[in-house]
Amino acid sequence: KAGVTQTPRYLIKTRGQQVTLSCSPISGHRSVSWYQQTPGQGLQFLFEYFSETQRNKGNFPGRFSGRQFSNSRSEMNVSTLELGDSALYLCAGRISPTEDTQYFGPGTRLTVL
Amino acid sequence: QKEVEQNSGPLSVPEGAIASLNCTYSDRGSQSFFWYRQYSGKSPELIMSIYSNGDKEDGRFTAQLNKASQYVSLLIRDSQPSDSATYLCAARSGGYQKVTFGTGTKLQVIP
Repeated sequence: KAGVTQTPRYLIKTRGQQVTLSCSPISGHRSVSWYQQTPGQGLQFLFEYFSETQRNKGNFPGRFSGRQFSNSRSEMNVSTLELGDSALYLCAGRISPTEDTQYFGPGTRLTVL
Repeated sequence: QKEVEQNSGPLSVPEGAIASLNCTYSDRGSQSFFWYRQYSGKSPELIMSIYSNGDKEDGRFTAQLNKASQYVSLLIRDSQPSDSATYLCAARSGGYQKVTFGTGTKLQVIP
């Protein structure tokens, strides 16, 4: 059974650019959550998608957006990158939003210069 | 104020000892509680979940929940060097609510 995949694994961008990250959950898992992880703030919830609809949203500015496709794959976009956006971005999939067990992908390490 | 709080550590324990990791939460509506383990450079993995007051045991791991005190703990018996990792406490209010994580406690098991 294939695990959660995230692409790309590493990304270097400059301030002002935009970036798109991708996440494919385990087959059959229709809910995808996105998190930002930094040393100081820990794991912070960005948003969750289920059945192509955003079900929950964290306290991040509108520069952070996402979407989900019919095959459950999800993308996250960050526009007008800032230095503080440098972080590990993790996605986690689960069968549905009411399911407790979520499976994390390996993450995308974003560095903003 | 952080919704889920943990001591960042590091917590150092000798091999074979009991490691005790603690967590407090502020949302009294929280219903589900989780402990994740994250090795350096890896993604978090769920090791325990607990929903009702009391203890829940799984092998060398015991999760404890006290909703009146808004306190969750994880005990690791017979600690091994392979247990060295960051342990993340998380809570959820239920239904479609988001999972809120603490910043994690780094555990070092000394051989």
